[in-house]
Amino acid sequence: EADIYQTPRYLVIGTGKKITLECSQTMGHDKMYWYQQDPGMELHLIHYSYGVNSTEKGDLSSESTVSRIRTEHFPLTLESARPSHTSQYLCASRATGTTGELFFGEGSRLTVL
Amino acid sequence: TQLLEQSPQFLSIQEGENLTVYCNSSSVFSSLQWYRQEPGEGPVLLVTVVTGGEVKKLKRLTFQFGDARKDSSLHITAAQPGDTGLYLCAGPSSGGSNYKLTFGKGTLLTVNP
Repeated sequence: EADIYQTPRYLVIGTGKKITLECSQTMGHDKMYWYQQDPGMELHLIHYSYGVNSTEKGDLSSESTVSRIRTEHFPLTLESARPSHTSQYLCASRATGTTGELFFGEGSRLTVL
Repeated sequence: TQLLEQSPQFLSIQEGENLTVYCNSSSVFSSLQWYRQEPGEGPVLLVTVVTGGEVKKLKRLTFQFGDARKDSSLHITAAQPGDTGLYLCAGPSSGGSNYKLTFGKGTLLTVNP
C-alpha cells in the first residue's frame, strides 16, 4: 500500500491569496511529481523532481513553483491564486530502478473564487 | 511528445456486460501501464505490460500489449458496479532512469446495477 499524503484535500480561497499544497511520502522514493487534472480529464505533468534540490518544469506550463529540500517532502506553491488555477492537483512518487509505477496521493482540489 | 489516444472516451453499460477499451499511439513504447481512478481519489496502478504481444490477467480484467508495442487494450468480463471509474493508460515520455509518464485522456466507465 502506498504511503503518500496530500493536504489539504479541499481548499476554497479568494483571488490573490498565496497557497501551498503539501505532499509527503514515507517510501523513500527519489522521484516525485505534480500533475494537474480537471474532473474526469487527462493528467498534465506540471512539475517533477529527481531528488533533493532537483526540480524541473513539466509538459504543461504552470505559474506554480515547487521545492525539494527533503526526500519525503515536495510542496507546491501558488504565490497569487487566480480562478484559472481551479483544478485538482495530484502528487505522485516513484522509486528508482522500477518499471515506472507511480504511486499517487488522493489529490488536493483547489477552488479559487 | 508521444501521444496516447484512448477510446471510447465515455462508456456506460449494464452489470454483467463485457467491454473493451483501447489505448493507441503512433509511437513505440518500451512499456505501457493501466491505472484506474475512482472519483475523489488518485489513480491506482492496475498493470504494467512490457513485452510486445503480452497478455496479463487480473481477475476479470485482461490486458494486452500490441505486437508492435504501439497499442494496448483492456477487456473486462462481466462488469460490476465496482469497476466504475476512469481508466487511464500511460507510457514513458523518454528513456533512461529519469523518465516521465505521459497519460492518455482516459475512458470514463460507468457500470449500472
